[in-house]
Amino acid sequence: QSVLTQPPSASGTPGQRVTISCSGGDSNIGINYVYWYQQVPGAAPKLLIRATKQRPSGVPDRFSGSSVGTSASLAISGLRSEDEADYYCASWDVNLEAWVFGGGTKLTVL
Amino acid sequence: EGRLVESGGGLVQPGGSLRLSCEGSGFTFDTYDMNWVRQAPGKGLEWISLIRGPGNRVYYGDSVKGRFTISRDNARNSLYLYMNSLTADDTATYYCARDLRSDGLDLWGQGSLVTVSS
Repeated sequence: QSVLTQPPSASGTPGQRVTISCSGGDSNIGINYVYWYQQVPGAAPKLLIRATKQRPSGVPDRFSGSSVGTSASLAISGLRSEDEADYYCASWDVNLEAWVFGGGTKLTVL
Repeated sequence: EGRLVESGGGLVQPGGSLRLSCEGSGFTFDTYDMNWVRQAPGKGLEWISLIRGPGNRVYYGDSVKGRFTISRDNARNSLYLYMNSLTADDTATYYCARDLRSDGLDLWGQGSLVTVSS
């Protein structure tokens, strides 16, 4: 079981807006930043959102992150076929002294 | 920008040992914390270990504590993972990743596959 909880799957049609949730606790999301990683099949993960809501250079502004309390969300607007991938949330857990990841959400673009 | 290249993966018998290496280039290696993250076939990401830039502090996930050792040689721009007492559950692709702390794991290697099987 992952420390952070994500839905195993999500889907949407091109142009739609989809959100992926990530639930944690007081020792991780509740007190630290959240990060989102995108992984397409056969490739290494890629940092998509850092420090909860910032986009690294090169990440389209269709991707946005937010958090409230011990939960976080990744929103993807204007869904495109190339967004089909696995998405993972992560945070530093101060009790475990460890990076903790969600189990991942497989996004399908219908 | 930078690049990370892992090596050392392969087939190992249960109970055996293996050393993974990760060489960094294109950035000042010793100023960055470094991680190992693994992914079992068809499964999600699992953080394994972190070592601070100077090498003076290390952290481990519960699943590998006491069996795996992380180290680095900043003179060689290299990160290592020594894996002992391997079991089938350790079968995974192992990634090294650069850690920007509050800016996340921003640079990943291509991964090195470790298969534990008799």
